[in-house]
Amino acid sequence: KAGVTQTPRYLIKTRGQQVTLSCSPISGHRSVSWYQQTPGQGLQFLFEYFSETQRNKGNFPGRFSGRQFSNSRSEMNVSTLELGDSALYLCASSLLGDGPYEQYFGPGTRLTVT
Amino acid sequence: GIQVEQSPPDLILQEGANSTLRCNFSDSVNNLQWFHQNPWGQLINLFYIPSGTKQNGRLSATTVATERYSLLYISSSQTTDSGVYFCAVANSGAGSYQLTFGKGTKLSVIP
Repeated sequence: KAGVTQTPRYLIKTRGQQVTLSCSPISGHRSVSWYQQTPGQGLQFLFEYFSETQRNKGNFPGRFSGRQFSNSRSEMNVSTLELGDSALYLCASSLLGDGPYEQYFGPGTRLTVT
Repeated sequence: GIQVEQSPPDLILQEGANSTLRCNFSDSVNNLQWFHQNPWGQLINLFYIPSGTKQNGRLSATTVATERYSLLYISSSQTTDSGVYFCAVANSGAGSYQLTFGKGTKLSVIP
């Protein structure tokens, strides 16, 4: 079974631009979560989607948004990019999302904002 | 929210040595996972262990949920074990499925 896939793997953007990252969960997994990793803040939760609904959101500004499609694929969008948005963005999927199920992570998208 | 503390923050081992990594958490959890982050940034699942003991080859883990800690044991370490090990927890009973991560233990295994 294929793992979680994320595209693109690397991205360079300029301040003020916007970016969209994509995540395809493991087949059959319906819950998708997004995390941001930076050297200063570590791994922080962004949001979690289940059945196209956002169930939880972390402490991030409204510039960070996401959505989930009917096939469970998810996208996250960051508008008006700032230098501090440079980070590794990780997507995780879990089986059903209505219990404490194990989460599996994708390889990440490394975003650099210049 | 739940607080997660990992110790030690850094660990240097000679190849072949054994090590114990610790994860303390501040509240009850029903999900606890250990990950190894490879040099390319991917989080590799090691254990899903909200309670009890599991073993996988040279690695084993124990979680004592009532005392709010988990231990990851690495025996006969190899240079390929180098990297950052993360503990992450969640309590879905509180309506949140998010994982809260510790700051990690950076392990360096030298030949």
